[in-house]
Amino acid sequence: GAGVSQSPSNKVTEKGKDVELRCDPISGHTALYWYRQSLGQGLEFLIYFQGNSAPDKSGLPSDRFSAERTGGSVSTLTIQRTQQEDSAVYLCASSFLQEQFFGPGTRLTVL
Amino acid sequence: AQSVTQPDIHITVSEGASLELRCNYSYGATPYLFWYVQSPGQGLQLLLKYFSGDTLVQGIKGFEAEFKRSQSSFNLRKPSVHWSDAAEYFCAVGPNSGGYQKVTFGTGTKLQVIP
Repeated sequence: GAGVSQSPSNKVTEKGKDVELRCDPISGHTALYWYRQSLGQGLEFLIYFQGNSAPDKSGLPSDRFSAERTGGSVSTLTIQRTQQEDSAVYLCASSFLQEQFFGPGTRLTVL
Repeated sequence: AQSVTQPDIHITVSEGASLELRCNYSYGATPYLFWYVQSPGQGLQLLLKYFSGDTLVQGIKGFEAEFKRSQSSFNLRKPSVHWSDAAEYFCAVGPNSGGYQKVTFGTGTKLQVIP
């Protein structure tokens, strides 16, 4: 594919359920970011992967959030025991020479 | 640690007027600098970037930005704003060397364009 893809595009879940959000980065991009954007808000950094280095998890808001990146490519963001305040658009970006290429996002709604 | 400040949360300009959005950064050396735009209901798109060389960079949609090392600034400008420019604009800074340090975004400036 030509760009970053994310799935699902929309996810509605019940409070307390776990969700997995997927990001397929641009082939060859070694860096990958996850952000959260709540309604009307800016970008909230969540986690950063760079090559084989340990990820920078400094932005994860709680231990309910985790992410992995398998084989240096696809990444999955997992939110356990979702809460209503987790409702937001989750954006993934892959990066080359610091320039970020954003996916269309996953809109998560927690009822 | 690097940081980015966008001091204006919200700006309103008239269509056809000039625009300048401010961005100040903190970084120990010359960084890579970026402006991204997010139009309503749209994804984030790169407007322009500065890596090195000419400090005045041109981007898409008629935007330009000037890197001023002495002021640690990278302000975005457009001579004549169009209604379609209404969007949120994000400045970002990244290290200009290889390695692990991530890119950091500012909090964004929302631009409203009035007739």
